Amino acid sequence: GESVGLHLPTLSVQEGDNSIINCAYSNSASDYFIWYKQESGKGPQFIIDIRSNMDKRQGQRVTVLLNKTVKHLSLQIAATQPGDSAVYFCAENVRNYGQNFVFGPGTRLSVLP
Amino acid sequence: DVKVTQSSRYLVKRTGEKVFLECVQDMDHENMFWYRQDPGLGLRLIYFSYDVKMKEKGDIPEGYSVSREKKERFSLILESASTNQTSMYLCASSSTGTGNQPQHFGDGTRLSIL
Repeated sequence: GESVGLHLPTLSVQEGDNSIINCAYSNSASDYFIWYKQESGKGPQFIIDIRSNMDKRQGQRVTVLLNKTVKHLSLQIAATQPGDSAVYFCAENVRNYGQNFVFGPGTRLSVLP
Repeated sequence: DVKVTQSSRYLVKRTGEKVFLECVQDMDHENMFWYRQDPGLGLRLIYFSYDVKMKEKGDIPEGYSVSREKKERFSLILESASTNQTSMYLCASSSTGTGNQPQHFGDGTRLSIL
């Protein structure tokens, strides 16, 4: 079945460095992707999304890259700050699968002082 | 901003009890979802609803039921709670707009079944 996975379960970065969090997806029919951030004790928070007709989208300090050839999604966080420490996970929506998403297990990002 | 409110942040119940988890959203969203979140397993869909009075089973519906009597409210019911239902429960909503729409989540209910 469809699956969304992450290459690294944990990632530690120095404050001020850039972070890259990766996600592999298996369903070539997926056409919409979201990155969520989940801080301890809170629900997932929408960060940025991208549709399959794009390969890059930028937000404030975040960039999402989509490589449909290898079914890979990445989230880049510029100048990582302590407030960026959280679990990040990607979600994919399969075309014609309605409003439902498949979620990855998440990567924990730790920002070191 | 979208606001999804789950009635309890923490809940402790006993095995065999009937448990109700409530979720309310204030953005007039058509779609609502219930997930459970367990370490290493990600979010797993229990039930969802695309309209009032409508419900559909997700990936793990066994032991659960739902109710959607009003558009803004989606309730998750554990008919007879068991210890393997100890988990974090997350409610989400989304609109049925043009194209894909993101889901917006509440802060979760951490449920412990003793």
